[in-house]
Amino acid sequence: DQQVKQNSPSLSVQEGRISILNCDYTNSMFDYFLWYKKYPAEGPTFLISISSIKDKNEDGRFTVFLNKSAKHLSLHIVPSQPGDSAVYFCAASYNTNAGKSTFGDGTTLTVKP
Amino acid sequence: GAGVSQSPRYKVAKRGQDVALRCDPISGHVSLFWYQQALGQGPEFLTYFQNEAQLDKSGLPSDRFFAERPEGSVSTLKIQRTQQEDSAVYLCASSLVTGPQHFGDGTRLSIL
Repeated sequence: DQQVKQNSPSLSVQEGRISILNCDYTNSMFDYFLWYKKYPAEGPTFLISISSIKDKNEDGRFTVFLNKSAKHLSLHIVPSQPGDSAVYFCAASYNTNAGKSTFGDGTTLTVKP
Repeated sequence: GAGVSQSPRYKVAKRGQDVALRCDPISGHVSLFWYQQALGQGPEFLTYFQNEAQLDKSGLPSDRFFAERPEGSVSTLKIQRTQQEDSAVYLCASSLVTGPQHFGDGTRLSIL
């Protein structure tokens, strides 16, 4: 039973437009959510996070939205750039992120020039 | 280096052999995690250390898997009597007590 789901395996967007990546979770005990970005043959790199006490967190071109009632979060990238092309993983954890994270299976984003 | 270092990057072993994977975390990072990533999937938690204490090993798939961090720094993941289903990328991550995890580039293990 997957507790964190990314239902879109891939997404293709034109350069300059908005990319929206979605993530759903089932465990209401999760209180901290993260997005990681992964290039081929490299480990995941932390991108942005959000605590369950917030509904939005912004960092430059990246914004994460959290809807606790729907158990849904999304990552918005505006404007999208070709260098954003990578696999994006959604992750969730307990105890304000002290301890393990549970990951989704990732969404491959392709930004076309 | 400044990041998490894992070695070897690639490991090929015959079924039944024992393997040892090493992780050198970021200096000062208290927490260390091991994950297993199968092709096309996200990382799956194996085990977690805080300093030298193994606080959670609920993700280890069998008693063939063993991890240690004897001095609270470098960690080793050992797999005994390897099987084909052990083939995966093994990722190590470290962090402060709370906060995002910093991942190494992984060890790609292939069992023939």
